[in-house]
Amino acid sequence: NAGVMQNPRHLVRRRGQEARLRCSPMKGHSHVYWYRQLPEEGLKFMVYLQKENIIDESGMPKERFSAEFPKEGPSILRIQQVVRGDSAAYFCASSPQGGYGNQPQHFGDGTRLSIL
Amino acid sequence: QKEVEQNSGPLSVPEGAIASLNCTYSDRGSQSFFWYRQYSGKSPELIMSIYSNGDKEDGRFTAQLNKASQYVSLLIRDSQPSDSATYLCAVGPPYNQGGKLIFGQGTELSVKP
Repeated sequence: NAGVMQNPRHLVRRRGQEARLRCSPMKGHSHVYWYRQLPEEGLKFMVYLQKENIIDESGMPKERFSAEFPKEGPSILRIQQVVRGDSAAYFCASSPQGGYGNQPQHFGDGTRLSIL
Repeated sequence: QKEVEQNSGPLSVPEGAIASLNCTYSDRGSQSFFWYRQYSGKSPELIMSIYSNGDKEDGRFTAQLNKASQYVSLLIRDSQPSDSATYLCAVGPPYNQGGKLIFGQGTELSVKP
C-alpha cells in the first residue's frame, strides 16, 4: 500500500492517559501534516513537519500536544493527559513538497480517538 | 469573517443534474486551491487542485478559480448517487509561507436517484 498509513485506526484512552498516533507518509513524500476534525466541525490544521524539523506548529494547543518526525520511522502525534475534549478524528497528510510547491496533500484514513 | 467559507447545505440535486459547489476565501495571497470529497466516517479524498484563474476539467469535475473575486467553485456534471458526500474546499498559503491548508466547513451534497 503506497498511501499514507496511520495507526491505530481507533484508539480508546481514559482521561489522564497518553495517546500516541503514528503516521507514515506516502512513498517519496517528505512533508507531513496533522489535522484534527472534531465532531460536527471542519478540519483544522495542527502541525507541519519535515524530517527532524517542525516547520509550523501554529495550530497545536499550547499544552499537552507534541509532534515529531524523526530521521527514521513514522511521524508521531503525542497527546499527554488526555481529556474528553480531545476526542476527535486525527488525520495525517503528506506531500512531496511543502510550502514552496504547494503540492496537493494526500490524507491517511485517520485515527479515531475516544476518551472515556 | 471566516478564512474559507462554504454553504453548509445540504445541497440536493437529482441524478444526472449538475451540482455546483461554491467557496470564498479571505487571504488574497493564497496560491493553491483544492477540493476534497469526504464520505461519512472516512478520510478526505483529493479530487481537484487548481492554481491559476480559469477552469480546470477532470472527467465529470470542473474547478473554477477567480482570484480577483476570491472565489473557487466545483461543478459536478451528470451527478450520481455515489457523489453524495461532503465536499471540502481547502486553500493553501501564500507562496513560501508554509504548507498548511485552511478548510471550509464543507458542503453536504445529496444526489437523489
